[in-house]
Amino acid sequence: AQSVTQLDSHVSVSEGTPVLLRCNYSSSYSPSLFWYVQHPNKGLQLLLKYTSAATLVKGINGFEAEFKKSETSFHLTKPSAHMSDAAEYFCVVSDGSARQLTFGSGTQLTVLP
Amino acid sequence: DGGITQSPKYLFRKEGQNVTLSCEQNLNHDAMYWYRQDPGQGLRLIYYSQIVNDFQKGDIAEGYSVSREKKESFPLTVTSAQKNPTAFYLCASQRNRGIAGGGASTDTQYFGPGTRLTVL
Repeated sequence: AQSVTQLDSHVSVSEGTPVLLRCNYSSSYSPSLFWYVQHPNKGLQLLLKYTSAATLVKGINGFEAEFKKSETSFHLTKPSAHMSDAAEYFCVVSDGSARQLTFGSGTQLTVLP
Repeated sequence: DGGITQSPKYLFRKEGQNVTLSCEQNLNHDAMYWYRQDPGQGLRLIYYSQIVNDFQKGDIAEGYSVSREKKESFPLTVTSAQKNPTAFYLCASQRNRGIAGGGASTDTQYFGPGTRLTVL
C-alpha cells in the first residue's frame, strides 16, 4: 500500500520570497514521486518527477524537490515566488506495480504582492 | 499538436440522466485513466485501461461505466446510479513500457483539461 500526506492545505508567501511545500510518503516499493500543478479549472501539469536517479530533482519554472528516503519526504521548493505560481500543487506517488498513482490532498499556494 | 482533449468543458445534467464525457488522446499511449476531483481533495481513480478492450475498476467505480474500443478514446459514462456526480473529471494517459523485474514505472501521466459536471 502507498500513501501521500501533504502537510499544509494552504501556504501563503510574498512575491520574491522562498516557497516550501511539504510532502511525506509511504510505499512498500521503491517509489516514483511526482509534483503536479493545477491552475483553476485546468488539468494537471507535471512540474518534476523522481525516479531513483539523482535525489535532487529540478523541474520547470524554477521548482525543485529533494528525495529524502530516511525522512520519507519529497518537499517542493522554489527560491523566489512569482505571482504566476499561485495554484494548487499535488504530490503524487507511484509504486508502479499497477501503474496507478496515489495523490495527496493538495496544497493551495497563494502569492501576495 | 499532441495531447489529450476532453469535451465538453462544462456539462449540466438533470437528476436521473446518464451523461457521457469524452476523452481523446493522440499521443499513442497505451494506458488511459479517469479521475474525479472534489473541492479540497486530491484525485480519486474511477477506471483505468491498460490496453484496448480491457479496463479495470479504480477506487470509486460505482455509478460509472467506461469503454475502450479504440486506443485513442476512453469515454466515461456517469449513470443515474451515481449518487453525487457533481465534480471535476480529469482524464489522463500514460505510455507503458515493460519494466524488467516489476520495478516502478517512471512514465508520466499526462492530463486533459477536465470536464466540470454539475447536476441540476
